[in-house]
Amino acid sequence: QVQLQESGPGLVKPSETLSLKCTVSGYSVSSAYYWGWIRQSPREGLVWVASTSHSGTTYYNPSLKGRVTISAETSKNHFSLMVTSVTAADTAVYYCAIRPVVMSDYWGQGILVTVSS
Amino acid sequence: VLTQTPHSLPITPGESASISCRSSQSFWSYDHGNTYLDWYLQKPGQSPQLLIYSVSNRASGVPDRFSGSGSVSAFTLRISRVEAEDVGVYFCMQRVESPSSYSFGQGTKLEIK
Repeated sequence: QVQLQESGPGLVKPSETLSLKCTVSGYSVSSAYYWGWIRQSPREGLVWVASTSHSGTTYYNPSLKGRVTISAETSKNHFSLMVTSVTAADTAVYYCAIRPVVMSDYWGQGILVTVSS
Repeated sequence: VLTQTPHSLPITPGESASISCRSSQSFWSYDHGNTYLDWYLQKPGQSPQLLIYSVSNRASGVPDRFSGSGSVSAFTLRISRVEAEDVGVYFCMQRVESPSSYSFGQGTKLEIK
């Protein structure tokens, strides 16, 4: 059974860096078709933040203007997201997701991140 | 940019529903010739769940009341005989291999009348 769990701070101050981790069990991240981060807010709806595919191609949402980095520690079977210089606009529920094959995917339950002083 | 219509869809149980998803540009993935257009349902308080992948293929466990169709830049999700458990927000998602690009539609909220 594939399970994903997001972890990280629920509150981040403006201009600071947000770091989130997604721990995966039941499937190897390194074998996945793709894996990545999605966020959801009333203002933006569902938005892909970043992802990495089986071919090694990495996608970053252009609207985040180079503030985002996605990385993986395959030996520990987890992957991470870093967002620098956060503002209130980065307040959202952040989901991690993995797609082992085209016909199935798995999402974490989501973590609410609030940017506020 | 993916544009979904309608934004809200009140439906009587037993009726059929149809949701449109249009891409602002035609796309075609050159990875094995597949078109990566998926449909998700986000039920209240839950994470999105995959319903349809690659335009018209139902994910495991999805009832055959759900069907997807379309090509190039216009896609449709149809739900026949809507049930109370179908309420939630439906999203289309486009994925392009090269250059890498992922995007969601803005969602369609299905509610029971």
